[in-house]
Amino acid sequence: AQTVTQSQPEMSVQEAETVTLSCTYDTSESDYYLFWYKQPPSRQMILVIRQEAYKQQNATENRFSVNFQKAAKSFSLKISDSQLGDAAMYFCAYRSEGADKLIFGTGTRLQVFP
Amino acid sequence: DTEVTQTPKHLVMGMTNKKSLKCEQHMGHRAMYWYKQKAKKPPELMFVYSYEKLSINESVPSRFSPECPNSSLLNLHLHALQPEDSALYLCASSQVWVAGVDEQFFGPGTRLTVL
Repeated sequence: AQTVTQSQPEMSVQEAETVTLSCTYDTSESDYYLFWYKQPPSRQMILVIRQEAYKQQNATENRFSVNFQKAAKSFSLKISDSQLGDAAMYFCAYRSEGADKLIFGTGTRLQVFP
Repeated sequence: DTEVTQTPKHLVMGMTNKKSLKCEQHMGHRAMYWYKQKAKKPPELMFVYSYEKLSINESVPSRFSPECPNSSLLNLHLHALQPEDSALYLCASSQVWVAGVDEQFFGPGTRLTVL
């Protein structure tokens, strides 16, 4: 069975600085998808970024980028130029190819200080 | 319209009550999901509907009864719940699996309290 581990329960960053959230996963599959979801306090969960395992190039979405290391089974999220609105719970998630089910990590709560 | 709506926002019920949660989307998605989320925890998958048929039931107690009356609507019927069932119930929708098109869109959730 696949598992997703987020070893940082809480992180903090100053506005305009850069922060990296860690995620590791365990799988025997070769084809899968990885995601970072953001859940602000009392607001909807939204997709931040996704990565297909077959792609070597790291995904980037504006200030958000990932460092995908397939051999090491690592999928970290880098947030550049942090903003107050980035404060949220961040969940790393795994999805097997062809599957409907998302497997979530335990989450990292990010605080952003002015 | 890239929105999943859920009603009610908050629900308080006694252990003998029967209530229903409702979820709606108009994105043409044919997969819909129910998740349960406890405070400071990740969402836990409960049910998945694919083309209006139940495709995944994660061994959820029978006091939770899902229903998918059409491709836009998903209900969760609640009966004889326990206080430990108090949680945020999230609905999500997505395309049925197509490579490269797999984002799940989440609703804002229903905050359920069982007294």
